[in-house]
Amino acid sequence: GAGVSQSPRYKVAKRGQDVALRCDPISGHVSLFWYQQALGQGPEFLTYFQNEAQLDKSGLPSDRFFAERPEGSVSTLKIQRTQQEDSAVYLCASSLVGGSNTDTQYFGPGTRLTVL
Amino acid sequence: GENVEQHPSTLSVQEGDSAVIKCTYSDSASNYFPWYKQELGKRPQLIIDIRSNVGEKKDQRIAVTLNKTAKHFSLHITETQPEDSAVYFCAASQRSGGSYIPTFGRGTSLIVHP
Repeated sequence: GAGVSQSPRYKVAKRGQDVALRCDPISGHVSLFWYQQALGQGPEFLTYFQNEAQLDKSGLPSDRFFAERPEGSVSTLKIQRTQQEDSAVYLCASSLVGGSNTDTQYFGPGTRLTVL
Repeated sequence: GENVEQHPSTLSVQEGDSAVIKCTYSDSASNYFPWYKQELGKRPQLIIDIRSNVGEKKDQRIAVTLNKTAKHFSLHITETQPEDSAVYFCAASQRSGGSYIPTFGRGTSLIVHP
C-alpha cells in the first residue's frame, strides 16, 4: 500500500515568508509526528497528534511554528515569517496506534526547506 | 529531557567485517529503543527495535543489545555488505499520551568498502 507522503518535496522561501508543509499519513494510522532534521543531525521531535488531537507540541521551537490535523488524517505544518535557521528537512511519520506492538513509525520522504 | 549520545560518528569497514554502533541515554524512564537506517536523500527506515524488558534481539545479520543499568544500547551488524552503507540513528523513547516520543542520536555514517 501507499506509504507516508509529503509535499512539496522541496521548498525555497525568502526570509519572512510563510510556508505550509503537507503530510499524508498511511491510511488508518492514528498517530502522526513531525520532526525537523538539520544537515548532519538526527531528527528532532516537533509535535505529535493522535487523531485530530495535538497531544504534545513541546518540540516546536517558537510560536512561528504551528501544526494542525483537523480531520485526523492529513496534517499541515505551518511556519510563519521564516528565518534562515528554519532551513532543514521536515519529516513526517505515522504509526498505527501507539500500543506496545504497533509503535513502529513510518517516515515520509521529507520536505527540504531552504530559507534565503 | 532525554539526551542520547551516539558513537562513532563515522565507521569505515571492509566488506564481510562486523560493525558496532553504541548509544547511551540519560533518562531511566526511556523504555523503547528503535534503530533507523537512512540512505542518502531517503527517508529513515526502522531496521530493528528493542524494549526495556529484553536484553538482546536478533534479526538475521543485525542484533541489538540493551544494558538498562548502564543506560546503553548497541547495534551489531555482521558480515557487512556494501548495501549496508548508510547513516544509522539510534533513539531512546518514552511514552507520551499513548505513543512513544523518540530522542535521536546524531547518527553514524557507516561505509562498507567492497
